[in-house]
Amino acid sequence: DAGITQSPRHKVTETGTPVTLRCHQTENHRYMYWYRQDPGHGLRLIHYSYGVKDTDKGEVSDGYSVSRSKTEDFLLTLESATSSQTSVYFCAISSDRVGGYTFGSGTRLTVV
Amino acid sequence: AQSVSQHNHHVILSEAASLELGCNYSYGGTVNLFWYVQYPGQHLQLLLKYFSGDPLVKGIKGFEAEFIKSKFSFNLRKPSVQWSDTAEYFCAVNAVGSGGGADGLTFGKGTHLIIQP
Repeated sequence: DAGITQSPRHKVTETGTPVTLRCHQTENHRYMYWYRQDPGHGLRLIHYSYGVKDTDKGEVSDGYSVSRSKTEDFLLTLESATSSQTSVYFCAISSDRVGGYTFGSGTRLTVV
Repeated sequence: AQSVSQHNHHVILSEAASLELGCNYSYGGTVNLFWYVQYPGQHLQLLLKYFSGDPLVKGIKGFEAEFIKSKFSFNLRKPSVQWSDTAEYFCAVNAVGSGGGADGLTFGKGTHLIIQP
């Protein structure tokens, strides 16, 4: 769907373990974003990237880190997963940051 | 920083009823405005967007929205809803200009719309 793929689609992990989610795009877009979606909160920005090795924090970045070593890949890492990080995670891409944003299909993460 | 408020968290309508979902934003500068729809179990899809020009914007599936700058509003409308419109609807904004835009979209909390046959 519009050249953006998230993996895995579903994951169950234990509290305290590290977890990495991957967002892969084939659109060569400069901007990439990680959001989390929780009932009653809508979507909240975790981290974003404006180029290779250029990243910055969003609204809810605590407990998360990101990396972007290639244009096409944006990785989100939960350094030590907690139950409060149980959520659906969406990646988004944009060519010019103020234009259209395309979202991936999401990763449903459950931390037990 | 910008913020978005969606007035109705849950809306239940019958088929063929008219729909209006409220959205207000808070930001002192110029914004781009979006409405997204999320069908059950799916990702977000763009319904429509406003950047500039005619404040009445038409989107897909018969939806439209009107930007009223003086009211900081961008309400979504549809004259006659269908059962297939059952979904979650999100209003979002993106600041334009220096210092804004790079940090993506700011979303409202969403409106869960249920259309009864």
